[in-house]
Amino acid sequence: EVQLVESGGGLVEPGGSLRLSCVASGFTFSNYDISWVRQAPGKGLDWVSAITGRGDITFYSDSVKGRFTISRDNAKNTLYLQMNSLRAEDTAVYYCAKHWERSSDYWGQGTLVTVSS
Amino acid sequence: IVLTQSPATLSLSPGERATLSCRASQTITNYLAWYQQKPGQAPRLLMYDASYRATGIPARFRGSGSGTDFTLTISSLEPEDFAVYYCQQRYSWPLTFGGGTKVEIK
Repeated sequence: EVQLVESGGGLVEPGGSLRLSCVASGFTFSNYDISWVRQAPGKGLDWVSAITGRGDITFYSDSVKGRFTISRDNAKNTLYLQMNSLRAEDTAVYYCAKHWERSSDYWGQGTLVTVSS
Repeated sequence: IVLTQSPATLSLSPGERATLSCRASQTITNYLAWYQQKPGQAPRLLMYDASYRATGIPARFRGSGSGTDFTLTISSLEPEDFAVYYCQQRYSWPLTFGGGTKVEIK
């Protein structure tokens, strides 16, 4: 059974940093690209970043470029999102989502990041 | 690429047909996915490549379109279909989502 489990969310002050993790199981992790997608409270889905299966190519939305870094450790079946210079508008539930064909077929349950003083 | 979904809210009764629209600001060929999201849950993949149902998705869900105009049709709404639906383009980076359509019980 495919599972994605996010962790690392919490309350952080504006300007602070946080690192999210997503532990995968039930599939060959290194074979699949993975995305981070976020959802602000009461709002829609917002794609944040993606990384190829080998971890050699990364992509970012304009809103996080230069502040967030996506990475992965295929030996640990784990995806990361290092978030620096956090802003109030980064407050959201952050999901990791496995790519399949041209879609995301499995999603974690999300971890809540709150940026507030 | 900007995706515009309409309407924002669709008020229908169980058994009725739902027609949801997603329009892209430029051509995305057929590289469009649809997701369903219920309150407190992660999104669930419904359709990929505009018209292919994901595993386990009932036949009452049908996706169509290519280029810039896409439609998700639910032929006869079941109680469990009342949710928010999002489209996502997979044609170019950055990936983008539409703003969503809420299908609510009338």
